Amino acid sequence: GNSVTQMEGPVTLSEEAFLTINCTYTATGYPSLFWYVQYPGEGLQLLLKATKADDKGSNKGFEATYRKETTSFHLEKGSVQVSDSAVYFCALESAAGKSTFGDGTTLTVKP
Amino acid sequence: GAVVSQHPSWVICKSGTSVKIECRSLDFQATTMFWYRQFPKQSLMLMATSNEGSKATYEQGVEKDKFLINHASLTLSTLTVTSAHPEDSSFYICSATSGDNEQFFGPGTRLTVL
Repeated sequence: GNSVTQMEGPVTLSEEAFLTINCTYTATGYPSLFWYVQYPGEGLQLLLKATKADDKGSNKGFEATYRKETTSFHLEKGSVQVSDSAVYFCALESAAGKSTFGDGTTLTVKP
Repeated sequence: GAVVSQHPSWVICKSGTSVKIECRSLDFQATTMFWYRQFPKQSLMLMATSNEGSKATYEQGVEKDKFLINHASLTLSTLTVTSAHPEDSSFYICSATSGDNEQFFGPGTRLTVL
């Protein structure tokens, strides 16, 4: 079956540091890939997505590129802020519309 | 963006009772709604897929008689945990898809069974 493996947390960074959260996947066919963010006390929100190989999703300074050859979709941000502190989930959606999530990575950004 | 609400946001019940959780799409019609379960510090696990007017499709290992899903309208799906036991305590999250298949998630419902 499909699976998503993402970097274990928690991750603690200082403000303005560079962020990378690794995500790799196993899937049949050509899934769409997503990063979701969950702020404290809130539901999941779509952060960015990519639907085909070599697509780059970007939003709020975050980026991730769909790499089919390495089955990866690593999340990056050049300069994190305290307000980026949240739990980040990597996910894939199969052609049948079913989602598979990674375990989530907790990011804490300190001033 | 589209808004999905869940009610209640948290519930505590006695073992053996049934609990109903509502999921509503507030400003769009959702052709499909999904129910997930999230254990502490773990990922979301898809429980079932619900389409309006038809029976829900349950994932392997999820008891359909335990977790009753009703999707009576394009804006409302309900999950009823029947005869709840302490091991059913968890965080239940729904999502709804809009016309372009983007998923919008509800804030979740924390169920504690005593």
